[in-house]
Amino acid sequence: GQQVMQIPQYQHVQEGEDFTTYCNSSTTLSNIQWYKQRPGGHPVFLIQLVKSGEVKKQKRLTFQFGEAKKNSSLHITATQTTDVGTYFCAGPGEGSNYKLTFGKGTLLTVNP
Amino acid sequence: NAGVTQTPKFQVLKTGQSMTLQCAQDMNHEYMSWYRQDPGMGLRLIHYSVGAGITDQGEVPNGYNVSRSTTEDFPLRLLSAAPSQTSVYFCASSLFTGTDEQYFGPGTRLTVT
Repeated sequence: GQQVMQIPQYQHVQEGEDFTTYCNSSTTLSNIQWYKQRPGGHPVFLIQLVKSGEVKKQKRLTFQFGEAKKNSSLHITATQTTDVGTYFCAGPGEGSNYKLTFGKGTLLTVNP
Repeated sequence: NAGVTQTPKFQVLKTGQSMTLQCAQDMNHEYMSWYRQDPGMGLRLIHYSVGAGITDQGEVPNGYNVSRSTTEDFPLRLLSAAPSQTSVYFCASSLFTGTDEQYFGPGTRLTVT
């Protein structure tokens, strides 16, 4: 079945450093979503990418969708302590728009 | 709007006991789903529903039942709890499908001893 893999599993940075997490799917995705989960909290939707090669920005966050629509990345510029949390990517299950498959997430910790 | 609500927040069960986790949304969303989250495993889909009266299995459905009698409510039933079902359970809803923006509830932390 479809797999969505994320790397790295953990990342610890000093405040002000940049951070990137990568998401790779075993199949072509019609779209990809990104979520953030703060420690002890619930996942919160960040963005959805649909087009091949799409790049979207939200303040210090930059999201990219690969040309082949099988990979994506989230880059945070100049991390802040408020960026702490786990970042998940998620894509539609193979052949289905009703099942969302999540990656295992990247836990980001920021040292002030 | 309250969004997606879940009860209880915490629950401890003994092996073999049954219980129902409650989920409700007030956004008139057609799609609702249940996930479990285990350390290092991400979120795994248990069951989902595309509307009242329609449910289907996700990735890890064994040991769980669902029903959807109204648009607002989507309860998850554990028939005979097992220690392997110790997890954090999240309910989510979206407008129509799994590929729409998902709104998650605050979660239920379940421990089975």
